[in-house]
Amino acid sequence: DGGITQSPKYLFRKEGQNVTLSCEQNLNHDAMYWYRQDPGQGLRLIYYSQIVNDFQKGDIAEGYSVSREKKESFPLTVTSAQKNPTAFYLCASSIDGSSGPFNEQFFGPGTRLTVL
Amino acid sequence: DAKTTQPTSMDCAEGRAANLPCNHSTISGNEYVYWYRQIHSQGPQYIIHGLKNNETNEMASLIITEDRKSSTLILPHATLRDTAVYYCIVRVAGTSGSRLTFGEGTQLTVNP
Repeated sequence: DGGITQSPKYLFRKEGQNVTLSCEQNLNHDAMYWYRQDPGQGLRLIYYSQIVNDFQKGDIAEGYSVSREKKESFPLTVTSAQKNPTAFYLCASSIDGSSGPFNEQFFGPGTRLTVL
Repeated sequence: DAKTTQPTSMDCAEGRAANLPCNHSTISGNEYVYWYRQIHSQGPQYIIHGLKNNETNEMASLIITEDRKSSTLILPHATLRDTAVYYCIVRVAGTSGSRLTFGEGTQLTVNP
């Protein structure tokens, strides 16, 4: 089956620890994205990558880091510098990074991170 | 990207049509209207998009006013599984990147 996988679905960490969220896609998409969602709110863009070995900051990149060493993988690290890391994290991909009208984004199931 | 305005919540009876409005009065000529929905605790799902003309697919219909300042997403026969938050997004075509700017959306509740 083609799609985007995120693991784990639920993640608990102690305050002050870095944690890495996994995102893998087998859709052969060039572009990948990370969003954060807080309760009752829409999604906010953290980082995005239009091509391997390249990525750009989104609207709320502070306290987060990413890498894009492989086309199919775009892990997100939530560092101890992120003041309020507890949230629902969503990964997405699209065919490429253009803004063409048919370039819809496909989302993974999300990871709910709770920092204790 | 243009800002959108949607009602916070709506209710619909099962089997009836659900009409979800969206205002985008500052939309530019090259901006498309996209609709996504998010079922609780899942990732958003693309529904439909359009530029000027009305569009229909297997999930929904999109009606865009002639002045393009507002649009309506129509689910013709709502089911309980259509209960979700629906996001209306306008996005510039032709610029670099493919960022989607999500507002708070409309919580649609389909009642039995």
